[in-house]
Amino acid sequence: AQSVTQLGSHVSVSEGALVLLRCNYSSSVPPYLFWYVQYPNQGLQLLLKYTTGATLVKGINGFEAEFKKSETSFHLTKPSAHMSDAAEYFCAVSEKGNNRLAFGKGNQVVVIP
Amino acid sequence: GAVVSQHPSRVICKSGTSVKIECRSLDFQATTMFWYRQFPKQSLMLMATSNEGSKATYEQGVEKDKFLINHASLTLSTLTVTSAHPEDSSFYICSARGGRPADGYTFGSGTRLTVV
Repeated sequence: AQSVTQLGSHVSVSEGALVLLRCNYSSSVPPYLFWYVQYPNQGLQLLLKYTTGATLVKGINGFEAEFKKSETSFHLTKPSAHMSDAAEYFCAVSEKGNNRLAFGKGNQVVVIP
Repeated sequence: GAVVSQHPSRVICKSGTSVKIECRSLDFQATTMFWYRQFPKQSLMLMATSNEGSKATYEQGVEKDKFLINHASLTLSTLTVTSAHPEDSSFYICSARGGRPADGYTFGSGTRLTVV
């Protein structure tokens, strides 16, 4: 079964600094990978996803992630943090032929002015 | 893009009563819908998976008689919390998926249930 590991529940970043959230996955078949953002008392919004093709994926709000099969990773980055980036971020994985979406534990991002 | 509407966003109910939460896919047909529960500052816990026209598949430890799921059409799934108790208070989120796994999952905005 697929699984996701996100380390460091809380991530503090200065405004204007690089945002880096790490995600490692486990999957027995080529995975579909997702990053979601959640603001307080709201549902999840898709930031970006990898299914096939180009391994560097660009998403909304200036985020991007790179699928690295050899490292089983899908780290999320943004070059310059903005105050509005303060939120909870979840990495998730699903597999072709499997309905389930497995979530990581999430990263609470705090942006310091 | 794909939109999932979830209602109500907040509900307060008395202990012992039942509450229904609706999840609608507005611009696509959702062959599969999922219901999650999220505790404060935690990740999403999958409660059940429902496919249109068939019985929901519940995750281990989820009481199917307490959390009734109906997926009567390709655009609507409902979760009914029966005989609610304060420990059922939580944030419930639905998501829907179209025909292809690569389409990803679209999430509703969530429902904050408080049982008093």
